[in-house]
Amino acid sequence: KQEVTQIPAALSVPEGENLVLNCSFTDSAIYNLQWFRQDPGKGLTSLLLIQSSQREQTSGRLNASLDKSSGRSTLYIAASQPGDSATYLCAVSVGGDDKIIFGKGTRLHILP
Amino acid sequence: DTEVTQTPKHLVMGMTNKKSLKCEQHMGHRAMYWYKQKAKKPPELMFVYSYEKLSINESVPSRFSPECPNSSLLNLHLHALQPEDSALYLCASSQNPTLFYGYTFGSGTRLTVV
Repeated sequence: KQEVTQIPAALSVPEGENLVLNCSFTDSAIYNLQWFRQDPGKGLTSLLLIQSSQREQTSGRLNASLDKSSGRSTLYIAASQPGDSATYLCAVSVGGDDKIIFGKGTRLHILP
Repeated sequence: DTEVTQTPKHLVMGMTNKKSLKCEQHMGHRAMYWYKQKAKKPPELMFVYSYEKLSINESVPSRFSPECPNSSLLNLHLHALQPEDSALYLCASSQNPTLFYGYTFGSGTRLTVV
């Protein structure tokens, strides 16, 4: 059974720092991995989608990497800003299935 | 249009009420999903519709009844809910059920059962 773990559960860093959020999964036979952002009481916003054949994706200050063999993904945020404060969720999909498996998220707080 | 639209944004209902949540997308996506999310927890899958047919029901109580009238619209009918059903209900869609292109989520309906 696929399990997705995100470490740390919570993180506070000063504004301007670069930071890394981690996501690990137990079954390397994934179809793709998606990183989401969720503000309190709001829906999920897709940040980056990495297909199983890809190693990384970039969007602005965000860079997500994928290492299927080790069952890991990282989300790198450069030059953090207070507006980056949110919960970040990673989710993996397994080919042939209609659903994705979420991690429990990392609550990020950027200190002004 | 690249959005999933959910209405209403907030809903308060009594335990004897009947209400419906609505989800709409005009991206031509052929798979649609209902999720339930409690505070500080990840979303939990409830139902999956694939090409307008129910493909997954994650053992959801019958007081939740999904409906997919057409490829753009997904409803969740609510009846005789319990206070513990209070949560954020999220709708999502995907281009096709293989999830090759990932998910697009709506902004959710905050449901309070009193």
